Amino acid sequence: LAKTTQPISMDSYEGQEVNITCSHNNIATNDYITWYQQFPSQGPRFIIQGYKTKVTNEVASLFIPADRKSSTLSLPRVSLSDTAVYYCLVGLPSGSARQLTFGSGTQLTVLP
Amino acid sequence: DVKVTQSSRYLVKRTGEKVFLECVQDMDHENMFWYRQDPGLGLRLIYFSYDVKMKEKGDIPEGYSVSREKKERFSLILESASTNQTSMYLCASIDQQGEHQPQHFGDGTRLSIL
Repeated sequence: LAKTTQPISMDSYEGQEVNITCSHNNIATNDYITWYQQFPSQGPRFIIQGYKTKVTNEVASLFIPADRKSSTLSLPRVSLSDTAVYYCLVGLPSGSARQLTFGSGTQLTVLP
Repeated sequence: DVKVTQSSRYLVKRTGEKVFLECVQDMDHENMFWYRQDPGLGLRLIYFSYDVKMKEKGDIPEGYSVSREKKERFSLILESASTNQTSMYLCASIDQQGEHQPQHFGDGTRLSIL
């Protein structure tokens, strides 16, 4: 199973762009990269998913280099409500009994 | 919107008790999962199920069992609860069909074993 490594914590200020990088050196050919956000006392919530290059949605962007051994979640202009734990996952997104591996997550704290 | 419902938000039990944690999803998903979440350790997979009556062990199955008698319901069972099973338990489901489907999580059950 592909193991992921993320920074334990990051601080930022309101209005700044935040980039959280995840390392996944032994990612498999068919694996996708998925990011989740978790607030206290809630389950994780899907943010974005990608396979290669760049993916963008209304919430975030995901940058994946050609070797796919890392990925970067980019949150534009964060607000206080973006304070949460962010998880990077590597694995098959659906249709498989293969497990999806969660790392320890990155605690993002947005300061006023 | 997919809804994954865990029967209890908070639960307090005693050592040696048999404990049932229930999870129900309303989207006819084939795959369901049970995780536990502990500070500094992230989410760790206990068991998952890819169909009714089918189950697979995850990373930390010891001390747990599961039951999937109906597609929408996935139960986690602590046969004889111990204090080291005090944790936050999260249930998730995912659609078997189609690509790029994310996991949908419940809001968790915080279980304390005294």
